[in-house]
Amino acid sequence: KAGVTQTPRYLIKTRGQQVTLSCSPISGHRSVSWYQQTPGQGLQFLFEYFSETQRNKGNFPGRFSGRQFSNSRSEMNVSTLELGDSALYLCASSRGRDFYEQYFGPGTRLTVT
Amino acid sequence: AQTVTQSQPEMSVQEAETVTLSCTYDTSESDYYLFWYKQPPSRQMILVIRQEAYKQQNATENRFSVNFQKAAKSFSLKISDSQLGDAAMYFCAYNEGPENTGNQFYFGTGTSLTVIP
Repeated sequence: KAGVTQTPRYLIKTRGQQVTLSCSPISGHRSVSWYQQTPGQGLQFLFEYFSETQRNKGNFPGRFSGRQFSNSRSEMNVSTLELGDSALYLCASSRGRDFYEQYFGPGTRLTVT
Repeated sequence: AQTVTQSQPEMSVQEAETVTLSCTYDTSESDYYLFWYKQPPSRQMILVIRQEAYKQQNATENRFSVNFQKAAKSFSLKISDSQLGDAAMYFCAYNEGPENTGNQFYFGTGTSLTVIP
């Protein structure tokens, strides 16, 4: 069974630009969560989507948004990028019912210059 | 928000020896779930072990076991017979369950484990 995939793996953007990251969950998984990982703050929860609905949201500004499609693939968007948005963005999927079986993708390394 | 604290930023262990990683958490809930995740360098994060708070028995997975002290809100990970492949960043995580917060996990800041040959 293919694992969680994230594209692109690396991205360099300029302040003020916007970026879209993509996550394809494991087949059959309906829940997708997004995390921001930085050396200073560690792993912080962004949001979770389940069956195309945002089920939970972390404490991030409105510049961070996401969505989930009917095939469970998810995208997250960051508008008006700031230097502090440089981070590893991780996506994790689970069936939704057995929520604790969360499988992580390799992440997208975003660098904002 | 719940907090998860890992007070050991770095740890090292001799190959074949045993090491214990510490984790404490803060919650007012009685039912919740605790996890240890492993993130090898430049590799994907994987689940090592999980513990349901309502279970008194400590979880074990091969060489990995936990010491869950609910009253003390402590959840340590013991790695026995350490192997070179155990070298990684280890994260402790907390979740209240899908009925409460869905898949919102709270993570500690991690402990970097070095295994010395």
